[in-house]
Amino acid sequence: ETGVTQSPTHLIKTRGQQVTLRCSSQSGHNTVSWYQQALGQGPQFIFQYYREEENGRGNFPPRFSGLQFPNYSSELNVNALELDDSALYLCASSLSGAGVTDTQYFGPGTRLTVL
Amino acid sequence: AQKVTQAQTEISVVEKEDVTLDCVYETRDTTYYLFWYKQPPSGELVFLIRRNSFDEQNEISGRYSWNFQKSTSSFNFTITASQVVDSAVYFCALSEVGGTYKYIFGTGTRLKVLA
Repeated sequence: ETGVTQSPTHLIKTRGQQVTLRCSSQSGHNTVSWYQQALGQGPQFIFQYYREEENGRGNFPPRFSGLQFPNYSSELNVNALELDDSALYLCASSLSGAGVTDTQYFGPGTRLTVL
Repeated sequence: AQKVTQAQTEISVVEKEDVTLDCVYETRDTTYYLFWYKQPPSGELVFLIRRNSFDEQNEISGRYSWNFQKSTSSFNFTITASQVVDSAVYFCALSEVGGTYKYIFGTGTRLKVLA
């Protein structure tokens, strides 16, 4: 196990609602990355947080937003849910810093279904 | 632009057979990282290996081996004497160096090992 935890495990929402997904990073890691994995596809990068600041964003609309807390845990918020948002959402933690490129370790994911 | 191609969508082998999963990547960077992850039915991405662009040595870990060839932009993964427990989806990923270190994933190869 990686020590990265995510909650909830599964979630069902209806179109137009808002959702918050949570991630606790591995001890000692200061960076959290979020990915969306649609069925049958590879994970797609949503954004990354490093020391509580957004540190890069993929091709996702502004209704996807996030936070990182002082303990390096993180939240992913999605507003105005659409049917296409149904996917497995993966959180990955890593250690970043000057000259450091650590491997990303993934949590078990949250499966979101939008009806 | 960076891209990872896993042309094999699904592979089926009989237990104890050897199997090779192909990965071809595209990047303009001279420094980058390559990864392989395993995704069992539970959904969690399990880290298998990381290789940086300056290290073309092949690596062997138990029944797993990896062949990195910069000349053909390939990073192939071989499982020797496959077992039923190897059944999973395997993803190859590419990471830039600097910035977000976001991962670009391929679409994955589903491996089915039949008893």
